[in-house]
Amino acid sequence: NAGVTQTPKFQVLKTGQSMTLQCAQDMNHNSMYWYRQDPGMGLRLIYYSASEGTTDKGEVPNGYNVSRLNKREFSLRLESAAPSQTSVYFCASRGLPGANVLTFGAGSRLTVL
Amino acid sequence: AQSVTQPDIHITVSEGASLELRCNYSYGATPYLFWYVQSPGQGLQLLLKYFSGDTLVQGIKGFEAEFKRSQSSFNLRKPSVHWSDAAEYFCAVGADDYKLSFGAGTTVTVRA
Repeated sequence: NAGVTQTPKFQVLKTGQSMTLQCAQDMNHNSMYWYRQDPGMGLRLIYYSASEGTTDKGEVPNGYNVSRLNKREFSLRLESAAPSQTSVYFCASRGLPGANVLTFGAGSRLTVL
Repeated sequence: AQSVTQPDIHITVSEGASLELRCNYSYGATPYLFWYVQSPGQGLQLLLKYFSGDTLVQGIKGFEAEFKRSQSSFNLRKPSVHWSDAAEYFCAVGADDYKLSFGAGTTVTVRA
């Protein structure tokens, strides 16, 4: 089925370790987003990519880097994980301007010990 | 800056009863408004959206929402809830660049 695929679904890290969350969409969407979800805080935007080749910071970018590898893929990297980055991470995508709906992946649950 | 407030953290409702979830937003222009639903362990699913026009919008699963500009509100309603409506509901506001701002969410529990 078409949609947004995130890997891994679960990950446990130790403080200081690095990892990359992968996201791919097969809907030919231009824009892609990374959000984190924390209890009582809703979803907060980390980074987004309006189109292939561009990335911009969102509300909470510190401690993260992103790569828009191609139109399909948008990865989120934690270079040195901290316990404060324990969260559920969601990737989303959006089609052409005017297609004003975000499609979300199933989420990646990250625990940093 | 845009922001969203969902005043109710948790609501419990009996099956078959009506449901209303409150959402207030802050935004400088005419906003795009959304309601999403998240079942446990799942991603977010769009229930409905408002961009312009008729202020009462219909969504999936029997939900509707009403945009009231004077009150900066976009409340979600359902006339008769089903046990499968137990989930977390998020209101969101966005603009053309589509960087959505989400509320903290309202958890709905449905009792038999």
